[in-house]
Amino acid sequence: GQQVMQIPQYQHVQEGEDFTTYCNSSTTLSNIQWYKQRPGGHPVFLIQLVKSGEVKKQKRLTFQFGEAKKNSSLHITATQTTDVGTYFCAGRAGANNLFFGTGTRLTVIP
Amino acid sequence: DTGVSQDPRHKITKRGQNVTFRCDPISEHNRLYWYRQTLGQGPEFLTYFQNEAQLEKSRLLSDRFSAERPKGSFSTLEIQRTEQGDSAMYLCASSLWENMNTEAFFGQGTRLTVV
Repeated sequence: GQQVMQIPQYQHVQEGEDFTTYCNSSTTLSNIQWYKQRPGGHPVFLIQLVKSGEVKKQKRLTFQFGEAKKNSSLHITATQTTDVGTYFCAGRAGANNLFFGTGTRLTVIP
Repeated sequence: DTGVSQDPRHKITKRGQNVTFRCDPISEHNRLYWYRQTLGQGPEFLTYFQNEAQLEKSRLLSDRFSAERPKGSFSTLEIQRTEQGDSAMYLCASSLWENMNTEAFFGQGTRLTVV
């Protein structure tokens, strides 16, 4: 079955440092989405990537979709305490359902 | 509030009892997903509907789990003969499936505790 793995599982950074999480799929994806889940909250959509090699930016967040459409990354520049939470990638193969990755839990130390 | 709503927010049940959860999606959304999430894990796919049709169900899902979306609007998830391992947060999400460029909106979830 389809599997989506993320590394690292946990990341502690000092406020102001950069952060990157990586997502790898066992199958080629039609698109990939990224979600953020705050402690005690539910996943909230951040962005969707569709094209091979696509790069999208949202302020300090940079999202990238691999050329083979099997991997993706999220990079946060100069982390802030408001960035705390768990970041999930979610991949879709074809028109099927959305499979979530294992998540990376980010802690920002002030 | 026009977001995805789930009811109840919390449910405590004894092992062996049946439970049913309800999800009301965003009104114009035609896709509805059920996920299960345990502490420290990502949402685990259970099943999804497009309108009233159940298009896919996880092969890992026990036969004790069943879901319906009879009129293509709200959905129910039933767990029969609950076990302690069923304790988790059950998340519902909905999306408007017009093409593949769509985001899923999640509800607050139903936290199930089986004692």
